[in-house]
Amino acid sequence: QVQLQESGPGLVTPSETLSLTCTVSGGSISSYFWSWIRQSPGKGLEWIGYIYYSGSTNYNPSLKSRVTISVDTSKNQFSLKLSSVTAADTAVYYCARALLGTHYFDYWGQGTLVTVSS
Amino acid sequence: EIVMTQSPATLSVSPGERATLSCRASQSVSSNLAWYQQKPGQAPRLLIYGASTRATGIPAKFSGSGSGTEFTLTFSSLQSEDFAVYYCQQYNNWPPEITFGQGTRLEIK
Repeated sequence: QVQLQESGPGLVTPSETLSLTCTVSGGSISSYFWSWIRQSPGKGLEWIGYIYYSGSTNYNPSLKSRVTISVDTSKNQFSLKLSSVTAADTAVYYCARALLGTHYFDYWGQGTLVTVSS
Repeated sequence: EIVMTQSPATLSVSPGERATLSCRASQSVSSNLAWYQQKPGQAPRLLIYGASTRATGIPAKFSGSGSGTEFTLTFSSLQSEDFAVYYCQQYNNWPPEITFGQGTRLEIK
């Protein structure tokens, strides 16, 4: 059974960089697309971007200038960096898997709340 | 950007009744449409992909239909565990720009 687990600081200072890691267990990180998705308190879902295990990426145009997603296949992990954060970036951040050739998400992490505040 | 619009925002239904949720895309997404269920404090759960294919382990009481710009998610007989928020998601473009609807809250009447 594939499991995804997000980890990282729950509190980030405004203007700093948010950094999260997703660890994949129960399966290989190879041959899938791996995404970050966020959900602001009481609001809907926003796709942030994805990375293929080979390292190719694609980002939401609205966040592209601030987002970097990377992968470490040796650790079965992928990571998110979001720079210059503001209170508007406060959200539950999820990592999720999509099958090759599709972009719907069949496995999700439990999510981690990141609050941007001084 | 493809905008996904779900209606209604909230639907109140009695247990045992049938319910239909709608999702409209601002331009055609073919059949590249997924539905998710989200309960409080949980991650979304995939219900339907390809507009009408149930994900692994999803019971037949959930059915999806539609193509192009108009999609529906239908529940044949609602049970207490079905009351949740439901989101549609398109994944049509290449390279994909994935977008979600704003959600429909299905609540007990």
